[in-house]
Amino acid sequence: GENVEQHPSTLSVQEGDSAVIKCTYSDSASNYFPWYKQELGKRPQLIIDIRSNVGEKKDQRIAVTLNKTAKHFSLHITETQPEDSAVYFCGGGGDYKLSFGAGTTVTVRA
Amino acid sequence: DGGITQSPKYLFRKEGQNVTLSCEQNLNHDAMYWYRQDPGQGLRLIYYSQIVNDFQKGDIAEGYSVSREKKESFPLTVTSAQKNPTAFYLCASYPGGRTGELFFGEGSRLTVL
Repeated sequence: GENVEQHPSTLSVQEGDSAVIKCTYSDSASNYFPWYKQELGKRPQLIIDIRSNVGEKKDQRIAVTLNKTAKHFSLHITETQPEDSAVYFCGGGGDYKLSFGAGTTVTVRA
Repeated sequence: DGGITQSPKYLFRKEGQNVTLSCEQNLNHDAMYWYRQDPGQGLRLIYYSQIVNDFQKGDIAEGYSVSREKKESFPLTVTSAQKNPTAFYLCASYPGGRTGELFFGEGSRLTVL
C-alpha cells in the first residue's frame, strides 16, 4: 500500500515569514494529494489538493507543488498569520483510498 | 456541523468490552472511512467502504469491525481484541470522482479505563 512520510514534525515561524512542509510517497500509482488543516479540537479540513497531472497549484497564500518523478510534494504558506497555527496533514493515494503523513504542527509566532 | 455526524463525542469503556462508534452522513456520498488519530502518528486508515454492503480493511484493521448496510451509515466496533484502543477516531465520507473532497466528522474520543 501507499506510505506517506511528512517533514518536519514541528515548525515554528515568525509571523509574515513563509512555511514549507514536505511529503514523500511510495506508490507511483497514486494520483491525488490533498492537504488538510486541523485546528485544536476540530476536524481536519481540506485546504488545497493537487492531482498528478498538475505540477503546481495556488490558492491565495497557499501553494502546493508536485514532483512525480521524485515522488514528493510540498505545501507552501506565504505571509504566515497567527490563524495559520494548526496541524497540517498531507495525503496521498487514489480516488478511494488515502494514506496520510504523521502531521506537522505549525506555530506562528507574533 | 452539517453533513457527517459522529457519536458519541466522548466514550469511556472498561477493558474487555466492545464498543460501537456511530457515523452518519447525509451528503449522499458513496464512500465512507474510519481513521484513527494518535499523537505523532497522523491519521491511520482502519476500514473503508466504497459502496453499500462492501468494505475493505485499511492499514490497521485488527481488533476492529464495520458494517455498511445503509449508504448513510458506517458504524465502527472496537472489540476487546484491539490491544490499544484509546484514541481519537475520525469518520469521513467521499463522493468519488476527480473533484471530490474527503469530508471528516468531528471525531469520537475513546478512553479505555
